[in-house]
Amino acid sequence: QSALTQPASVSGSPGQSITISCTGTSNDIGGHNYVSWYQQHPGKAPKLIITDVSNRPSGVSNRFSGSKSGNTASLTISGLLPEDEADYHCSSKGGGNVVVFGGGTKLTVL
Amino acid sequence: QLQLQESGPGLVKPSETLSLTCTVSGGSISSSGYYWGWIRQTPGKGLEWIASVYYRGNTYYNPPLQNRVTISVDTSTNQFSLRLPSVTAADTAVYYCARKGGFGERSPTGFDYWGQGALVTVSS
Repeated sequence: QSALTQPASVSGSPGQSITISCTGTSNDIGGHNYVSWYQQHPGKAPKLIITDVSNRPSGVSNRFSGSKSGNTASLTISGLLPEDEADYHCSSKGGGNVVVFGGGTKLTVL
Repeated sequence: QLQLQESGPGLVKPSETLSLTCTVSGGSISSSGYYWGWIRQTPGKGLEWIASVYYRGNTYYNPPLQNRVTISVDTSTNQFSLRLPSVTAADTAVYYCARKGGFGERSPTGFDYWGQGALVTVSS
C-alpha cells in the first residue's frame, strides 16, 4: 500500500488562504469518502481536524475545510493565523481495513 | 474525557522485541464501533499506521508489517498492546496509540483521540 502524496511544504501570509493536496489512487482516496486530515505541532500528537472528507470534529475552527475530487483530497485553511503553522497529514482508507497516510506537509505562515 | 497513555521501554536492543501497551481511561475500550490503533512516526518523517484492533479481537495490519507485528486487546484492563519482534534501527520512532471509528460505522473514521506518544529507540 503506497503512501499518499502531499507537497513537502506550503506557505502563506496571515489572512490568506492555502490549500494542501493529497493524491492517492482509486484504491484509496478515489474509492470512498474516508479521508481525514491531521494538524501536528512540533513535539505534539496529531490532532484530527477533518474526518470523512469534509466533516469537522467538534471544536475545530470553521477556517478548516476539506474536499475531494477523484483521487485527490484537499485541505483548505482560510484566514491564516500564526498558530496554523504546523505539519498537516492526510489519511485514507485503503484496501480492506487498511489505513494509509500521506508524507505530511509543513505549513509556514510568513 | 477519553485519554490514552502509551507505556513501555524507551530503549530496545537490536533483534529484541518491542512491546508497548496503551491504557485507555475515561471510557470503555469495548465501545461499539470504535477501533484502537498504533501509529508510528520516525524523526522528521510522516505517520505510518501499524495496526488496529476491535474489542472483540478483530485485528488489521499494515501489509508491509503484518508478518512482524501483533496487536492485542484486553478488555478486562481497558488496554491494548503492540508487539514487534526482531527490531532494527529502522523501528526507532515515536509510537502513538489512538482511537478511530470503524469504516462503515456511524462514528467518524479519523483517529480522534491520541496518546502523547512514546519514543522508542533501537540501539545497542
